[in-house]
Amino acid sequence: EADIYQTPRYLVIGTGKKITLECSQTMGHDKMYWYQQDPGMELHLIHYSYGVNSTEKGDLSSESTVSRIRTEHFPLTLESARPSHTSQYLCASSPHGGFNSPLHFGNGTRLTVT
Amino acid sequence: QQQVKQSPQSLIVQKGGISIINCAYENTAFDYFPWYQQFPGKGPALLIAIRPDVSEKKEGRFTISFNKSAKQFSLHIMDSQPGDSATYFCAASNSNYQLIWGAGTKLIIKP
Repeated sequence: EADIYQTPRYLVIGTGKKITLECSQTMGHDKMYWYQQDPGMELHLIHYSYGVNSTEKGDLSSESTVSRIRTEHFPLTLESARPSHTSQYLCASSPHGGFNSPLHFGNGTRLTVT
Repeated sequence: QQQVKQSPQSLIVQKGGISIINCAYENTAFDYFPWYQQFPGKGPALLIAIRPDVSEKKEGRFTISFNKSAKQFSLHIMDSQPGDSATYFCAASNSNYQLIWGAGTKLIIKP
């Protein structure tokens, strides 16, 4: 049962549009993450947050931005979508860092930029 | 040094057989090795994880074998079932608890 929700599930949008991918979790987790997933490839961390007002860039260069104003909400924004942004975006949360702190993933947003 | 190499890319196993997926890493500072299972249309979910101070961990039909000297670890699924058909990801955690992921193995269990 998913306690982390991503909307929309699918999005097709034209080049140059601004988009926001929503992610909310009801578990009270401090840590939240955005990953990019392409078929046959490893997950790449694009942003993470250790709590309210904390955001960091991950290991994959991204033109997106994130905000963490509330514990439960971690939206990702693309100011100007491009075809290279076409991918699946996964949001995740965890209660704390370290061993035995699994990531809880949402079901993803599949973005297509035409 | 931050890579985790996973093989095979895809695997077909008969029902009741043993599925084996392998991962290798270079960074000896990695200290946590989870496996995640992902079904189509869903996000990955933690399946089983191991620390490098043990050589094997078993949970039901799923076993992680860990070889610290070879810097390799593997997932074994015993008595594989069609419901096990999914994509499996290995990962390793660095000192900042950031996960470095393998590229995934698509497992198909034939009835």
